[in-house]
Amino acid sequence: DTGVSQNPRHKITKRGQNVTFRCDPISEHNRLYWYRQTLGQGPEFLTYFQNEAQLEKSRLLSDRFSAERPKGSFSTLEIQRTEQGDSAMYLCASSRTGGDHEQYFGPGTRLTVT
Amino acid sequence: DAKTTQPPSMDCAEGRAANLPCNHSTISGNEYVYWYRQIHSQGPQYIIHGLKNNETNEMASLIITEDRKSSTLILPHATLRDTAVYYCIVRVGNNRLAFGKGNQVVVIP
Repeated sequence: DTGVSQNPRHKITKRGQNVTFRCDPISEHNRLYWYRQTLGQGPEFLTYFQNEAQLEKSRLLSDRFSAERPKGSFSTLEIQRTEQGDSAMYLCASSRTGGDHEQYFGPGTRLTVT
Repeated sequence: DAKTTQPPSMDCAEGRAANLPCNHSTISGNEYVYWYRQIHSQGPQYIIHGLKNNETNEMASLIITEDRKSSTLILPHATLRDTAVYYCIVRVGNNRLAFGKGNQVVVIP
């Protein structure tokens, strides 16, 4: 069990550019979650997958955001035409399905839009 | 999911037990109480969760009142490494976590 990994750990981009983040969950976990955290706030839910199906999206996930989990393993989160307000820590978590299973978080990807 | 109320910050003495309170007066019968913590610039770390009964693991103990309207997370022997933001969350089943601002806990030598 190597835990949840995220790449890159840091990303600096210019406004208007596209960025993509990757999350590798714990191998036996069916559920994968994306959260966003801005300075001084708790993480906010963005979306989650069960296997390859995206089951819920927050209204925070604007049209510029898209997430995929094509084979039910790793996931990518893409932000198109980045804005300065997108600067945040993007966190991925995974869990088993059903019951009260806890979510395990990765270290996050810190995005800075200049 | 029911909302929770935590103090914004608190200090604890190193080596002493740290008791972190949380109010969740609108909790429903099928909602669990979860505790996570986040050390600066890291992802949140799961600590413990429970439904009705008190729970204990290697990290902490969770005490839930009989009416389930409040709970206390107990760190038995606080160390400097326990300095973090602690989040108390209530949720149903295996869906999203709704974090608040949490309780900034500082362990003082």
